Amino acid sequence: EDQVTQSPEALRLQEGESSSLNCSYTVSGLRGLFWYRQDPGKGPEFLFTLYSAGEEKEKERLKATLTKKESFLHITAPKPEDSATYLCAVQAGSADGLTFGKGTHLIIQP
Amino acid sequence: NAGVTQTPKFRVLKTGQSMTLLCAQDMNHEYMYWYRQDPGMGLRLIHYSVGEGTTAKGEVPDGYNVSRLKKQNFLLGLESAAPSQTSVYFCASSPPGPSNQPQHFGDGTRLSIL
Repeated sequence: EDQVTQSPEALRLQEGESSSLNCSYTVSGLRGLFWYRQDPGKGPEFLFTLYSAGEEKEKERLKATLTKKESFLHITAPKPEDSATYLCAVQAGSADGLTFGKGTHLIIQP
Repeated sequence: NAGVTQTPKFRVLKTGQSMTLLCAQDMNHEYMYWYRQDPGMGLRLIHYSVGEGTTAKGEVPDGYNVSRLKKQNFLLGLESAAPSQTSVYFCASSPPGPSNQPQHFGDGTRLSIL
């Protein structure tokens, strides 16, 4: 059974204070690892896809990395508008759907 | 370009009532999905479709039915609603090609079963 564990569950940072969110996974045959951002009352918004270990993707203050067991979402010099819940999901084996973690609730204080 | 649109946005039902949630996408995507999101849990796949006229079960299909009569629409039905089906329901779609393309989500339907 595919499993995705995100840590921490919640994280409070000061504006400008860089940090990383973790997504560890146990799957058979990873086909893709996805990061999403979810704002209150909204659907998940796609951020990145990572397909193989060693791959990195960047977008503004966010950088996602992938190893064989986990992925990190690095947030550099965050701003209050980066506050959201960040979701990690995997697609593995013959599955067509995604297996999601529970998310990390990130709060950036001014 | 609206992307993925879900209707209704909110609904309250009584136990035993039936209803249909509608998902429409305007991106010509082949794959469509229904997930539910509950507090303290990750999104869980209910049913999905890999093309017009096809449907398949996901992780938590019991109590739900789906239909994909048109490529752009994916309907989720509750025949006899139960309080355990109180949740936020999200529809998603993904483009043609390898099935590991990113999924694009609607803004959800918040459903309460009394």
